[in-house]
This record gives sequence, structure tokens and C-alpha cells, in this order.
Amino acid sequence: GIQVEQSPPDLILQEGANSTLRCNFSDSVNNLQWFHQNPWGQLINLFYIPSGTKQNGRLSATTVATERYSLLYISSSQTTDSGVYFCAVGPDSARQLTFGSGTQLTVLP
Amino acid sequence: DTEVTQTPKHLVMGMTNKKSLKCEQHMGHRAMYWYKQKAKKPPELMFVYSYEKLSINESVPSRFSPECPNSSLLNLHLHALQPEDSALYLCASSSRLEEISYEQYFGPGTRLTVT
Repeated sequence: GIQVEQSPPDLILQEGANSTLRCNFSDSVNNLQWFHQNPWGQLINLFYIPSGTKQNGRLSATTVATERYSLLYISSSQTTDSGVYFCAVGPDSARQLTFGSGTQLTVLP
Repeated sequence: DTEVTQTPKHLVMGMTNKKSLKCEQHMGHRAMYWYKQKAKKPPELMFVYSYEKLSINESVPSRFSPECPNSSLLNLHLHALQPEDSALYLCASSSRLEEISYEQYFGPGTRLTVT
């Protein structure tokens, strides 16, 4: 099956700093999503981005499908950004998502 | 409305109990999913229903039995579970008929403890 690798596994930042999270995947995809999992377990949709670039406030994402990677940018981080960030991909002709192992982000005040 | 609801939020059950998890969406989605997430791990797919028919079973033990009574509802029936089945169970849905997006929306999960 498709392989998904996320880096870094852990990231500690001071409030106000910027960060970049990376997701590499091993095959062509029809779905790529970035999620933020809060401490209660809820997966919050950040971006649906199988290709291209999107921005939403302090967050933006870019997927280069031909090179099989995606980047999530967080600018001016806040303590409420803390949590686990997952990249998940869906291979062509299939509906299911395969998740990467996540990046644990801690933003310190 | 992009809401998927799940009940109960928490469930504690013994190994001889039978219980059910429920999931509901009113987004007109035609695909629904069950995922299992162990602590400090990513979610892993268990089942996919497409147009109310089971399309994927990821070799899940038979003590987990999914059911899709209609296009808005998804159940997961639990019987004779083991302590290692304790996990967060997440439901998701995707894909309205008129769109080609595969974007999945997740419910808040049911945190299951098997004693």
C-alpha cells in the first residue's frame, strides 16, 4: 500500500515562531488532507489539497503531486496550535485514507 | 453543515458485553468509514461503506461487526472484545453525489475501554 512519511516527528516552538511540516508519499493520490487533532481526539480538517496551494489565515499548504510531497506552513504560532498534525492520503481509484505518523507540535508561551 | 456525530463519547465494557457505536451524518455523503486509533498512533482504517454497501474490510476480527442501515447512519457492533481493543473509534464520511471531492470529515470519536 501507499507509504506516508511525516517530518519532523516532534516540534517545539516559542509563541510567534513560524514552522513548516512535511509529508512525503510513495504513490499518486486523489486525496491529500491535513488535520489537526486536538487533545480530545477530534480531527479538525485544515486543508483538502491533492495539488496546488491554499491559504487559510495563518496556515497555508502546498502539494507538489508530481514530486509526491506536501508542506504545511504555520505562521505566528499560538499556544492553541499545539497538538498533533496529521497528513493523510488517498491513493488513486480508492476512497480510504492512509495517515502519516503525525507531527507533535508544542507551542510554548 | 459539515458535522459528523458519534455516540456515545465514552464507553466502558467488559469482555462478555455486547455494545454498539453509532455515527450519523446529514451532509448527503455516500461513503462512510470506521477508523481505529490507539494512543500515540495514527488512525487506521477498519471498514468502508459506499452507497450503503460494505466495500472494504481491512481484515478486522469478526468481534467487530459494521452495519449501514441507511445512507446517513453507520453502526459498529461490538461483541467479546479484548482489552487490546481499547482505543478511540472514529467515524468519517465523504463524497456527495454531485461532486468528485474525496474530502473526509470526521466525527469526535468514541473512546472505548475494554475491561
